[in-house]
Amino acid sequence: AQSVAQPEDQVNVAEGNPLTVKCTYSVSGNPYLFWYVQYPNRGLQFLLKYITGDNLVKGSYGFEAEFNKSQTSFHLKKPSALVSDSALYFCAVMGTYKYIFGTGTRLKVLA
Amino acid sequence: GAVVSQHPSRVICKSGTSVKIECRSLDFQATTMFWYRQFPKQSLMLMATSNEGSKATYEQGVEKDKFLINHASLTLSTLTVTSAHPEDSSFYICSAYRGVSDNEQFFGPGTRLTVL
Repeated sequence: AQSVAQPEDQVNVAEGNPLTVKCTYSVSGNPYLFWYVQYPNRGLQFLLKYITGDNLVKGSYGFEAEFNKSQTSFHLKKPSALVSDSALYFCAVMGTYKYIFGTGTRLKVLA
Repeated sequence: GAVVSQHPSRVICKSGTSVKIECRSLDFQATTMFWYRQFPKQSLMLMATSNEGSKATYEQGVEKDKFLINHASLTLSTLTVTSAHPEDSSFYICSAYRGVSDNEQFFGPGTRLTVL
């Protein structure tokens, strides 16, 4: 069965420190992977995606993610966190014809 | 490009009434649109998939007579919550798919439904 796991409900990081939000997946074939961010009472905003090619994907707002096929992971990273990065982050994998979302990770960046 | 709008952004209604939510792709044609429901502090739950000109495909456990979906054109899909009850209160999000190979979906800003 296809699935996405975000093992951390919440991640706290100090402003200026690097951040990582974890995501692992299980899917047959080559995965299409996505990261989205959601601010309160808003829809999802696209951050980045991996389809093929370079394992390190750069996205919006300084975020990047590393695709690791052997570990079936697609962790989201940012070198220096901002307070404004505080939000809910979703990892998703494209299944047969639809997205499969992780449960979301709430990122809290502390000033 | 690839902007999706939803209307209304917020709606409050009385129990027993019906509410219609519109989802529009503003600058592209969407071969497929998706409707999601999100409970507080939870992930998105796919409710149904709609293709222009055909009946929507509902996920298991979603009442098709309760949540009517119409995809009348390549830029518009509507979700009607019929005879709404307080338990239908939720955040509803639509997304649209252009039909290109990267399979990316573009999400609307969401509609907050509150049923009194």
